[in-house]
Amino acid sequence: AQSVSQHNHHVILSEAASLELGCNYSYGGTVNLFWYVQYPGQHLQLLLKYFSGDPLVKGIKGFEAEFIKSKFSFNLRKPSVQWSDTAEYFCAVKEGSQGNLIFGKGTKLSVKP
Amino acid sequence: DARVTQTPRDKVTEMGQEVTMRCQPILGHNTVFWYRQTMMQGLELLAYFRNRAPLDDSGMPKDRFSAEMPDATLATLKIQPSEPRDSAVYFCASGLEGQGALSYGYTFGSGTRLTVV
Repeated sequence: AQSVSQHNHHVILSEAASLELGCNYSYGGTVNLFWYVQYPGQHLQLLLKYFSGDPLVKGIKGFEAEFIKSKFSFNLRKPSVQWSDTAEYFCAVKEGSQGNLIFGKGTKLSVKP
Repeated sequence: DARVTQTPRDKVTEMGQEVTMRCQPILGHNTVFWYRQTMMQGLELLAYFRNRAPLDDSGMPKDRFSAEMPDATLATLKIQPSEPRDSAVYFCASGLEGQGALSYGYTFGSGTRLTVV
C-alpha cells in the first residue's frame, strides 16, 4: 500500500535558520505531491503542489519543495524561518488518477524567537 | 476566497448516539475526501468521492460509519452508534480532478471536533 514518510517528528529552530523537512513516498507511478501547513487549532492549508514540469516548486510564504523522482522524495525548504512559521507540516501524495490522497504523520516545527 | 464549509464545528455526544457531520464542498469541485485526525494516528483517510460516487471507503469502519453525497453540494459522514474512540477532528476536503492523473489541489474545511463521552 502507498505510504508517505516524514522523517522528523519535531524540529526546533531559531529564527533565520534554514529549514528542510524530508518526505518520501512509496508509490512508483504518476503522483501529485503536496505540502500542507496546519497552525495550532486550525485546518490544513495548501503551501505548494507539484503536478509535472519543473521539479522545483515555489509556494506561499517563501517555501519551496524539490521533487526528486529517483529518490521518491519531495522535501520542503525555506531559507530563513520566522517565529510565525511555527506549525505542523504535512506531506501528501495523490497516486494516479483515482488513487487516494495519503498524508504523512506530520512534522511539528517550533521556531524560537 | 472559496471555502469548504463543515458543520457543526464542535459536537459533544453520549456514547451510542448517532452523529452526522456535514460538508459543503467548493462549488465546481468534483472530489471530496473525509479524514479523521487524532494525535496518535495523524490524518487517516476515511472516504473518497468523485462526481458523488464513492471511489474508496476502505479506511472507514463499515459497521458504524457511513459516508454519502446526496447531491453535489453536500457530503455527509454518519456514525451510528458513536463510541468514545471516535473522538477526533473530522476534516472534509474538496478538489477538482482533471483528465488522467491531474489534480489541482485540495481545500480543507475547518473540521468538526467530535467528543464522545
